[in-house]
Amino acid sequence: DAGITQSPRHKVTETGTPVTLRCHQTENHRYMYWYRQDPGHGLRLIHYSYGVKDTDKGEVSDGYSVSRSKTEDFLLTLESATSSQTSVYFCAIRSRDRGSELENRGYYNEQFFGPGTRLTVL
Amino acid sequence: TQLLEQSPQFLSIQEGENLTVYCNSSSVFSSLQWYRQEPGEGPVLLVTVVTGGEVKKLKRLTFQFGDARKDSSLHITAAQPGDTGLYLCAGEGGYQKVTFGIGTKLQVIP
Repeated sequence: DAGITQSPRHKVTETGTPVTLRCHQTENHRYMYWYRQDPGHGLRLIHYSYGVKDTDKGEVSDGYSVSRSKTEDFLLTLESATSSQTSVYFCAIRSRDRGSELENRGYYNEQFFGPGTRLTVL
Repeated sequence: TQLLEQSPQFLSIQEGENLTVYCNSSSVFSSLQWYRQEPGEGPVLLVTVVTGGEVKKLKRLTFQFGDARKDSSLHITAAQPGDTGLYLCAGEGGYQKVTFGIGTKLQVIP
C-alpha cells in the first residue's frame, strides 16, 4: 500500500476557518500529489511536490496552499475554508522516481493513493 | 486541457455477464493507467498500457490501448460481485500532466 496515511480521515469545519490536511509516506518517494474528488468531476490535481520545498500548482489550486518541509510529509492548507471546498481529498505518491527514467526502465506516472480525507465545510 | 471521457458512467449487471468500459480522448497519451476504487478508499492501480495496440490481461480483466494511443478499453469476463467498484482511467500527456476520467461505476449483482 506504499505506506501512505492521511490525517484526519474526516473533518467538519465552518466557513472561514483554516484547515490543514496531512499526508505521510514512509517510502521516501520524491513526488507527492494532492487531489480532490467530486461527483461529476473525477479526480482533479490541486498541487504537487517534486522534492523538499519544491511544489507547483495543479488544475484547481485557488484557495489552497501546500508545504513540504520533509520528504515524508506533504501538507495541504485551506487558509479560509469555503463550502465549495467540501470534498474528498486524496494524497498520492508516484511509484517511479526519476532514477527509473535514467536507468531506462520506463517513466510512467503510476500513482499510489492514500485512504482519503472527507472534508465538510458548513 | 486534455479530457478523458469514460462510458458508460453507470453499469449494473448480473454475476457472470461480460462487460466493456471505454475511455476516450482526442489527445495522445504517452501512457494510460486504469484504477479501481471502492467506497471510502483511494484508487488502486490495476495496469499501465504504453504502446499503441497493446493488450494486457489481469485474470478476467483485459485492457487495450488504442493504436493511436488516444483511447482504451477494459473488458471484464464473467463479472463477479468482487468486481464492483468505480473504474477510473488516467492518461499521461506530459510532465506531471495526468488527466483522470470521471469513472465508470460498476455494480455486479449476485
